[in-house]
Amino acid sequence: GENVEQHPSTLSVQEGDSAVIKCTYSDSASNYFPWYKQELGKGPQLIIDIRSNVGEKKDQRIAVTLNKTAKHFSLHITETQPEDSAVYFCAASGYTPNDMRFGAGTRLTVKP
Amino acid sequence: DTAVSQTPKYLVTQMGNDKSIKCEQNLGHDTMYWYKQDSKKFLKIMFSYNNKELIINETVPNRFSPKSPDKAHLNLHINSLELGDSAVYFCASSLEAGRGYTFGSGTRLTVV
Repeated sequence: GENVEQHPSTLSVQEGDSAVIKCTYSDSASNYFPWYKQELGKGPQLIIDIRSNVGEKKDQRIAVTLNKTAKHFSLHITETQPEDSAVYFCAASGYTPNDMRFGAGTRLTVKP
Repeated sequence: DTAVSQTPKYLVTQMGNDKSIKCEQNLGHDTMYWYKQDSKKFLKIMFSYNNKELIINETVPNRFSPKSPDKAHLNLHINSLELGDSAVYFCASSLEAGRGYTFGSGTRLTVV
């Protein structure tokens, strides 16, 4: 089955700096790669996703890049703000409902 | 108007008891899921349910059983609760199986 590794487990940046979180996956059949943000006491919220036919996707301050050959994808947050502080999860899935696998999460802290 | 709602938000119960967690989605999604998040924040799929097809993660004990009275509801029933069942349980739904999940806010289950 799919195995998703996520790094780093914790990340602390100054407000205004950029943050990068990286994930690798093992199953070459994976074709969908979402990123979720989980704030304290809440459920994970989808913030951006990318499909395997695209190499990069951007939404305002958030961007995701995908390298299918190397089987890794990354989340980039620019101009970070304190409200970006949360736990971020990457995930990868193929064609069946139960094969979505999540990374272990990255706790991002943005210091004002 | 909450998209995916779970009740209760908190559940404290004794070992050996049977309990249920309810989940309802008003998004018109076709697939619903249950995830377990442990104390280290790791998210693990338990079940997915799509058009009366139930897919069970093989590692889930048979004390856990999902029940879907209709497409908008997927409840989780747990028999003979054990200390190790303590975790946060998340319900989620998606329009397309394995894509773009919307999570509920979670149910924190504590078994004492």
